[in-house]
Amino acid sequence: QVHLVQSGAEVKKPGASVKVSCKASGYTFTSYYMHWVRQAPGQGLEWMGIINPSGGSTSYAQKFQGRVTMTRHTSTSTVYMELSSLRSEDTAVYYCTRGDIAAAGTHCYMDVWGKGTTVTVSS
Amino acid sequence: DIVMTQTPLSSPVTLGQPASISCRSSQSLVHSDGNTYLSWLQQRPGQPPRLLIYKVSNRFSGVPDRFSGSGAGTDFTLKISRVEAEDVGVYYCTQATQFPLTFGGGTKVEIK
Repeated sequence: QVHLVQSGAEVKKPGASVKVSCKASGYTFTSYYMHWVRQAPGQGLEWMGIINPSGGSTSYAQKFQGRVTMTRHTSTSTVYMELSSLRSEDTAVYYCTRGDIAAAGTHCYMDVWGKGTTVTVSS
Repeated sequence: DIVMTQTPLSSPVTLGQPASISCRSSQSLVHSDGNTYLSWLQQRPGQPPRLLIYKVSNRFSGVPDRFSGSGAGTDFTLKISRVEAEDVGVYYCTQATQFPLTFGGGTKVEIK
């Protein structure tokens, strides 16, 4: 069974960085894209970017360019999302979600979601 | 960026009655490969989103057949044929035809 297990909640001060992990199991880690999506309290969903766990290539939403870094460790089937220069507006639940088969080159859907990691930015 | 607009914002429905959610994109979602990468997600209270429908009308594994998707180009619809109590939540359309992926603002389905 496919699972995505995310790291625990974080509380950070403005200006700090946070690194959230997402450990995948139940499938071939390097075969599927991984997306990161966030949701501010009471708000909708916002796509942050995508990583191809095979080669590590990434694509980020313009809004987060320069502040977000997505990486992966193939040996532990884990992807990471690091967000720097945190501000209060970054308070949100951050989700990793499995994308399409990387070899397909398209993005059919996001079929499996982690439970989310709550990041609170407060002084 | 492609803007996704959902209506209504909220949909109070009587149990057993149908519900319909509309999603409109600011430009065509037909990809150069001929596919239309429009999906629907359900988010129950306190839970992560769950994939219901992909490529406009394909029901994901395990999704009840009371959920159906339709549409083409820029106009899409999610229908629930007979709403059940477990269907309460927020529904999002999302497009993956073009980066950045974008989501509709969400439609809250609640029981009258």
